[in-house]
Amino acid sequence: QQQVKQSPQSLIVQKGGISIINCAYENTAFDYFPWYQQFPGKGPALLIAIRPDVSEKKEGRFTISFNKSAKQFSLHIMDSQPGDSATYFCAASYGATNKLIFGTGTLLAVQP
Amino acid sequence: GAVVSQHPSRVICKSGTSVKIECRSLDFQATTMFWYRQFPKKSLMLMATSNEGSKATYEQGVEKDKFLINHASLTLSTLTVTSAHPEDSSFYICSASWGRGETQYFGPGTRLLVL
Repeated sequence: QQQVKQSPQSLIVQKGGISIINCAYENTAFDYFPWYQQFPGKGPALLIAIRPDVSEKKEGRFTISFNKSAKQFSLHIMDSQPGDSATYFCAASYGATNKLIFGTGTLLAVQP
Repeated sequence: GAVVSQHPSRVICKSGTSVKIECRSLDFQATTMFWYRQFPKKSLMLMATSNEGSKATYEQGVEKDKFLINHASLTLSTLTVTSAHPEDSSFYICSASWGRGETQYFGPGTRLLVL
């Protein structure tokens, strides 16, 4: 019940295309859902985060869509660029511990 | 803002020695710091949570006597890998948060290689 399932494992997108990564969770106590971007040999960097009282949040080219009833959330990267090529992790946490439960990661390759 | 640093960025040591990794919050006071381990092409695995001035809380399966965590101040936490063995080779990453603590900011990671 503590798992966060992430798909796809890898994704290839053409430059200018839309990258979509999906995550699903079981624990309805989760109340914070961040997305992190990680480049090889570096620590994860916070991209964008959402709470369950909002269905969508947009920051620049990055959008989180959140479906509370389906217990799913997704990251959309609009106008994908080669510089977006990285591994993306979704995560979830709840206020009692604030411990982040990470998805398995998606390796995104944006081809020029 | 919200910058977290780690030192060293990479370390190579001999089997049986101890290694200390530092995690610092540079522009905020971190009430909580977290330590993660990441294997190649894998996700992050939480090892322990530490609050300033308190003993760390370790995740199930993590040996607290092997991975010593100290959070002595609001800007510094250390992870000491004691009597390191080759199987301890990994990428160790810390994160820090403040206040309600839900947002974690990650350090750049430390690559440990035990020979």
